[in-house]
Amino acid sequence: AQKVTQAQTEISVVEKEDVTLDCVYETRDTTYYLFWYKQPPSGELVFLIRRNSFDEQNEISGRYSWNFQKSTSSFNFTITASQVVDSAVYFCALSEVNTPLVFGKGTRLSVIA
Amino acid sequence: DTEVTQTPKHLVMGMTNKKSLKCEQHMGHRAMYWYKQKAKKPPELMFVYSYEKLSINESVPSRFSPECPNSSLLNLHLHALQPEDSALYLCASRMDRGLFGELFFGEGSRLTVL
Repeated sequence: AQKVTQAQTEISVVEKEDVTLDCVYETRDTTYYLFWYKQPPSGELVFLIRRNSFDEQNEISGRYSWNFQKSTSSFNFTITASQVVDSAVYFCALSEVNTPLVFGKGTRLSVIA
Repeated sequence: DTEVTQTPKHLVMGMTNKKSLKCEQHMGHRAMYWYKQKAKKPPELMFVYSYEKLSINESVPSRFSPECPNSSLLNLHLHALQPEDSALYLCASRMDRGLFGELFFGEGSRLTVL
């Protein structure tokens, strides 16, 4: 069975600090996708990134970067120079073939001005 | 702006009421989902519709009744709910259930059952 673990329940950082959100996953499939979603206080889940199991290249998008390592089954998310607007709950999720998305428990990030 | 629209944004209902949550998307997606999210918890899957047919029901109580009138609309009919059903109900869509595309979520309907 697929499983996603986000060990960090809550993180607080001061604005402009870098912060890394951890995600560890379990799956028996060789083909799968990993996702990160952001949930601000408004409630909507905002898609951030999708990465397939065959592409281990790290990705950078502005202040966001993702580090995918199959050897450790991890898909970590780093925010550089954090801002107050980054405050939200961040969910890591896993999708296998023909199965619904499975979410981790989420990490609540608070960025303090 | 989200491309998945949910109404109402907030709903308060008594345990004897009958109400409905609505969800609409115009992205041509053929898979639509209902998730339930309690405070400080991840979303939990309730139902999946694929090509307007119910394909997954995660053992949801019958007081929740989904309906997919067409490929753009998804409803969740509520009847005889319990206070513990109070939660954020999220609708999502995806191009196709079998593909790995991202889920697009609406802003959710926050339900309070008195």
